[in-house]
Amino acid sequence: EIVLTQSPGTLSLSPGERATLSCRASQSVSSSYLAWYQQIPGQAPRLLIYAASARATGIPDRFSGSGSGTDFTLTISRLEPEDFAVYYCQQYGSTPLYTFGQGTKLEIK
Amino acid sequence: EVQLVQSGAEVKKPGESLKISCKGSGYNFPNYWIAWVRQMPGKGLEWMGVIYPSDSDTRYSPSFQGQVTISADKSITTAYLQWSSLQASDTAVYYCARLPGPQLIGRYFDYWGQGTLVTVSA
Repeated sequence: EIVLTQSPGTLSLSPGERATLSCRASQSVSSSYLAWYQQIPGQAPRLLIYAASARATGIPDRFSGSGSGTDFTLTISRLEPEDFAVYYCQQYGSTPLYTFGQGTKLEIK
Repeated sequence: EVQLVQSGAEVKKPGESLKISCKGSGYNFPNYWIAWVRQMPGKGLEWMGVIYPSDSDTRYSPSFQGQVTISADKSITTAYLQWSSLQASDTAVYYCARLPGPQLIGRYFDYWGQGTLVTVSA
């Protein structure tokens, strides 16, 4: 089973700042198989990025994804108030088919 | 517009059975996999299993195999998650989510239901 470890657990930043979130896999992951989600408290998750760097429909261009192998990054270039949420990475594997990281909470400083 | 609309919150006692639903609309329901994802209180996301409504091909996470049953009725564009005997540890929000097409490999979840809160308490 591939384990995804996200860091930091909590990130405290101010609106307008740049956020860099990390997702590290215990084994190499195909870039095509890595996605990122945003979850605002009380809401369902929302797909942000798939195939490591492709933005989902309707996602602002301040969100970008990068990485390969075992290290992937979600970057939010200039934080807006609505970006403060929990972010999860997710990969497709063998058994189980899909796994999520434990999440990074992005909070207002 | 693609929509997944889940059934409402449930409060059950340990040992009771339960079946929750997820109705898809706005797309060709039979030809897209539907997944179920658990979120325990204050915790992260856990993939439980997927079903392909066209032929009911179903795959489970080892953690949930034998604990739940996933099914679908393509005639009414609805997927289901059911328990035969609930435990307090089943208390969680359960989400259904769609995979973006007939492929299972390398996929992600592009549309999500609003979630169903299941509370199991004596």
